Amino acid sequence: EIVMTQSPATLSVSPGERVTLSCRASQSVSSNLAWYQQKPGQAPRLLIYGASARATDIPPRFSGSGSGTEFTLTISSLQSEDFAIYYCQHYHNWPPGDCFGQGTNLEI
Amino acid sequence: HVQLVQSGAEVKKPGASVKISCKASGYTFTTYYMHWLRQTPGQGPEWMGLINPNGVSTAYAQRFQGRVIMTRDTSTSTVYMELSRLRSDDTAVYYCAADRDGSGHLQHWGQGTLVTVSS
Repeated sequence: EIVMTQSPATLSVSPGERVTLSCRASQSVSSNLAWYQQKPGQAPRLLIYGASARATDIPPRFSGSGSGTEFTLTISSLQSEDFAIYYCQHYHNWPPGDCFGQGTNLEI
Repeated sequence: HVQLVQSGAEVKKPGASVKISCKASGYTFTTYYMHWLRQTPGQGPEWMGLINPNGVSTAYAQRFQGRVIMTRDTSTSTVYMELSRLRSDDTAVYYCAADRDGSGHLQHWGQGTLVTVSS
């Protein structure tokens, strides 16, 4: 089983800042990595897939990078609506199985 | 645009079953894999299983084997997830999520259904 570890668990930031979130896989997942944003009371929303491809309607301030076991999600200039929990998910195995990290909470 | 609308909140007693629906619109129903996940407060989503586009094949997480059944009704563009022998730790928000190409990343999500298991 591939374990996804996200860091930090919580990140206190301010609007306008550049933020980098980390996700590490316990073994290589190639580029089979997605990032999701979840706000309170809402379902997760796909931001990034294939480690670096932005999903439909996702603004360019969100970018993803990495491959193998180390991945990052960068938000170039935080907007107020970006305060949320961010999850990484690998989809290297089929069927997926346990594939989500525990999340990073971006708070003001 | 793609929309997944789930059925409403449920309250069940331990040992009972729950069946949640997820009605799809805005795309060709038989082209997407449908996954089910659940989430408890403070935790990441937990993958439960999936059903393939034609409804012939399913795959379930090992921890739910024998307790979960996923089906789909093409005539109504609806997928269903039934979880039996409910326990208190099955209390969670349950989501359906659509996967266009079977890759495993989840492009569209339902709004979630809260299932509360309590005596």
